[in-house]
Amino acid sequence: GAVVSQHPSWVICKSGTSVKIECRSLDFQATTMFWYRQFPKQSLMLMATSNEGSKATYEQGVEKDKFLINHASLTLSTLTVTSAHPEDSSFYICSATASVNEKLFFGSGTQLSVL
Amino acid sequence: QKEVEQDPGPLSVPEGAIVSLNCTYSNSAFQYFMWYRQYSRKGPELLMYTYSSGNKEDGRFTAQVDKSSKYISLFIRDSQPSDSATYLCAMRTGNTPLVFGKGTRLSVIA
Repeated sequence: GAVVSQHPSWVICKSGTSVKIECRSLDFQATTMFWYRQFPKQSLMLMATSNEGSKATYEQGVEKDKFLINHASLTLSTLTVTSAHPEDSSFYICSATASVNEKLFFGSGTQLSVL
Repeated sequence: QKEVEQDPGPLSVPEGAIVSLNCTYSNSAFQYFMWYRQYSRKGPELLMYTYSSGNKEDGRFTAQVDKSSKYISLFIRDSQPSDSATYLCAMRTGNTPLVFGKGTRLSVIA
């Protein structure tokens, strides 16, 4: 299957700092990328959908000023958690697809711990 | 009623058993059906991808879709301890984001 690379795999930061997570499609052009959040033993919760060159579409209840998403190229999307707080601690996963009718591939996830 | 229902388990089986995982859904417009496997603290890995009704087989895995009953299944033959993971069903219409089930935790005991 296609490869989606996500970095870092884990990060620990102090409360109030910002953290950037990168998601790259290595062997295909990702016109659409999705960002998910997952709590322990829970399913994936879609946070936002980003299309290359466009503003991200956020799901209801997700603060767009807190979770900044940039999809500047067909192979890279970034999620920046601004002014992180302990309640932002979670497992964040990106996914990418070449088009809405194509298969969706996931990155390996980022465990964020905010102290 | 949630769009996609999946029994969270946990499901524990002995090595070599046939495992049956299932999801039901309410949206008759779903056309694309997927099964993902997720190991702890890893991203989901696509196992099976099916369009509309029917069966699809890949090695020890068989996916079935019954659109008339709004029911999908994943069968794992000759289950191995390495199959121990959470299995997520997912589905979508033609141009919408995937809707996931909650996932079923499977343990295959050696």
